Amino acid sequence: QKEVEQDPGPLSVPEGAIVSLNCTYSNSAFQYFMWYRQYSRKGPELLMYTYSSGNKEDGRFTAQVDKSSKYISLFIRDSQPSDSATYLCAIRAGGTSYGKLTFGQGTILTVHP
Amino acid sequence: DTAVSQTPKYLVTQMGNDKSIKCEQNLGHDTMYWYKQDSKKFLKIMFSYNNKELIINETVPNRFSPKSPDKAHLNLHINSLELGDSAVYFCASSQDRFAAFFGQGTRLTVV
Repeated sequence: QKEVEQDPGPLSVPEGAIVSLNCTYSNSAFQYFMWYRQYSRKGPELLMYTYSSGNKEDGRFTAQVDKSSKYISLFIRDSQPSDSATYLCAIRAGGTSYGKLTFGQGTILTVHP
Repeated sequence: DTAVSQTPKYLVTQMGNDKSIKCEQNLGHDTMYWYKQDSKKFLKIMFSYNNKELIINETVPNRFSPKSPDKAHLNLHINSLELGDSAVYFCASSQDRFAAFFGQGTRLTVV
């Protein structure tokens, strides 16, 4: 079993839809949770970072963490064609301050006009 | 004003050659990383350096040798390149427990 599981999609939605992206993880030591967006032939770009259970909102993006279920989500409201990209969840263990990120496989999202 | 920059962006080379990728960050971070992204877009850590000291080495063949001359630079040298080394290599940096910031990647093609 992979440490972080993410449905690779692809996911195709119409413009304006609410998008839900999800990851599950198995290691209870994971304490820091990130979502990255990666456009084609570009590097991953940090979207959201959180370390506690609950919701964190930034504009059209909401990150949700449920540590008891080992489940994290990213919601995109009013999705735009410019949101079309691969979305990667990344998780890091606590303890050391320079721990590695463990990534999900990434979900390919297409928002069509 | 690039935060994490890598060179070259593209690298096409023959099997058996030796090549290097360079990375520099101007964010003042203490920790730098090399990640490898395969053809299925899966990102996996290779190495991590903290203040020039190797912290993580994730069962990478010893043909791969990272070097950190100072905490703002982390280079990756690859000996005797193989077809299976073809991938996108990303450099990243982070500070304390915060998220990592990635460079634009080096697309390596071994022919």
